[in-house]
Amino acid sequence: AQSVAQPEDQVNVAEGNPLTVKCTYSVSGNPYLFWYVQYPNRGLQFLLKYITGDNLVKGSYGFEAEFNKSQTSFHLKKPSALVSDSALYFCAVTHNYGQNFVFGPGTRLSVLP
Amino acid sequence: EAGVAQSPRYKIIEKRQSVAFWCNPISGHATLYWYQQILGQGPKLLIQFQNNGVVDDSQLPKDRFSAERLKGVDSTLKIQPAKLEDSAVYLCASVRAGGSDTQYFGPGTRLTVL
Repeated sequence: AQSVAQPEDQVNVAEGNPLTVKCTYSVSGNPYLFWYVQYPNRGLQFLLKYITGDNLVKGSYGFEAEFNKSQTSFHLKKPSALVSDSALYFCAVTHNYGQNFVFGPGTRLSVLP
Repeated sequence: EAGVAQSPRYKIIEKRQSVAFWCNPISGHATLYWYQQILGQGPKLLIQFQNNGVVDDSQLPKDRFSAERLKGVDSTLKIQPAKLEDSAVYLCASVRAGGSDTQYFGPGTRLTVL
């Protein structure tokens, strides 16, 4: 069965500094990997995904993620954090055309001014 | 393009009562998901529909939860009877086709069971 781990419950970073939110996964076969963001009292919003191809994926709002097959990781990154990036971030994995879609527990990102 | 619609947005019931949630996916989206998100946790997939057929309901507590997607469009999720531990946000998402497509989420229904 698929699983996703987000080892940090909370990440704090100063505005303007780079940020990283970590994600590791376990899946049989080739993974489809996703990052979603959840702002307070709002639904989940898609940030980016890795399906195949280039290991570095660029997404919305300046975020990017790097797929590392050997380390089974898909860390989310941004070169310069904004206070408005403060939110809850979820990593998710699936395969086989979307069956068994699994979300991680989430990481709360706080960007401090 | 209209987004995924869900209603009601909030619902408060007492344990052992019944409740139903409604979801209208984005037009043309063949796949529909229902998730349960308990406070402080990631969303947990309850059921996945492809058109009006069930693809995955392995985590749906079938003794109390049921879902249907008539005509492959709207969907309803029902809980009967509700338990305290069912308090959560119930999210609906839709996808145009397969698993590599982006899921678009509705605003969710926040259920409180007293």
